[in-house]
Formats: sequence, structure tokens, C-alpha cells
Amino acid sequence: DQQVKQNSPSLSVQEGRISILNCDYTNSMFDYFLWYKKYPAEGPTFLISISSIKDKNEDGRFTVFLNKSAKHLSLHIVPSQPGDSAVYFCAASITGNQFYFGTGTSLTVIP
Amino acid sequence: NAGVTQTPKFQVLKTGQSMTLQCAQDMNHNSMYWYRQDPGMGLRLIYYSASEGTTDKGEVPNGYNVSRLNKREFSLRLESAAPSQTSVYFCASSERQGATHEQYFGPGTRLTVT
Repeated sequence: DQQVKQNSPSLSVQEGRISILNCDYTNSMFDYFLWYKKYPAEGPTFLISISSIKDKNEDGRFTVFLNKSAKHLSLHIVPSQPGDSAVYFCAASITGNQFYFGTGTSLTVIP
Repeated sequence: NAGVTQTPKFQVLKTGQSMTLQCAQDMNHNSMYWYRQDPGMGLRLIYYSASEGTTDKGEVPNGYNVSRLNKREFSLRLESAAPSQTSVYFCASSERQGATHEQYFGPGTRLTVT
């Protein structure tokens, strides 16, 4: 069973607009959530994270929102840039041991 | 700093052959991980090592063994490769004491089993 789900395989956004990537999870024991970005033929790179005790974390153009009651998190990228085009994975963890990844969303930012 | 390095980058095996994927990190991290990535499945944890001398199973450990050789190195062994093990394998490391739990990933090994 997939404990972390990304239901949108792909997303296209115009340059300068907002990109919103969504992620749902089923296990209420998850206490840490992360977003990774992945380019083809490379390993994922860490983008931003949030602890379950918070509902928002911001880092420059990237903001992650966590809605624990809905078991939902989202990544907002504002403004979107062509270099943001990549596959984005959300991940969840219990106490930083095992990590569970979603299936990824491929973001294309159109110039 | 090289970060996380993996060898080899590519490998083709015949069914039943064995091989070891090597991983090393130079960030002095305590924790190391092996994942596989398959189309439509995201990354799935095979094994992890929370500290030198310890290893634990992840989501999909069957058909694999691991060795945490020292703090730097964590290897993944396929004793008898099967076509179902065709995948891209990523090694990662992290410092669990950190605030973000972020993992640093290697570039991956693309394995094909025929």
C-alpha cells in the first residue's frame, strides 16, 4: 500500500506563475515531511521540509503547507522559473528512520 | 567534497548472476540508505543503516543483502539477480541529528537484469 501519494503525474505552468504540487498521506504517525527535486539521470536533491508540529515552512520561492487533519501537504513555487522543470517527490518519515516517497510529479515550466 | 558516490553507474547482469553495488559518503553522516526507483513507483527503501554496525530492512528487502563496512561505506549485494530487480538504485546518507532529516543522494546505478 502506498502510504504517500502524489495523484498528479504531471503539471505545466507558465513562467512567473505559481506552481502547486500536492501530496497526500495515510499514516498519521508521520512526523516529518520533505520535498525533493530530481533531474533526469541525477539523484534527488533536497528542497524543503516541515515538521508535523508546524503548518507552514518557507524558503525563498518555496513554501510547504501541511494540513494534518486532511493528511495533505503541498509545495508552492512562486514565481515559477524554467529551471524548476523537474520531477518533484514528497516524502514522509517517522522519527527520521524509514522514509516513504510518493510517485513524483513532473513539473514543466513554460517560458 | 564528493558527497555521495556510487559505483558502477550502469550494469547489465544475466539472471542468476551476483553483484555488489558500492556507495560511499564523505560527509561523516551516521545514516545511510539504499533505494530503488521503478516507473510509477517512486523511491522505495530497500535497507538502511542508522549507524555504523547496524542495518535494518526497509519496504522491499527481499533478494538483497547489505553491509555497512565502516562509517563511510554501505554496499548492496544481489546474490542471484532476477529480472524483477531491473531498476535504478540510489544510495543516500543523512545526519539524523540534524533539524531537517534531509538525505543526500548519489547519482544512481542503472541495473538491467536479462
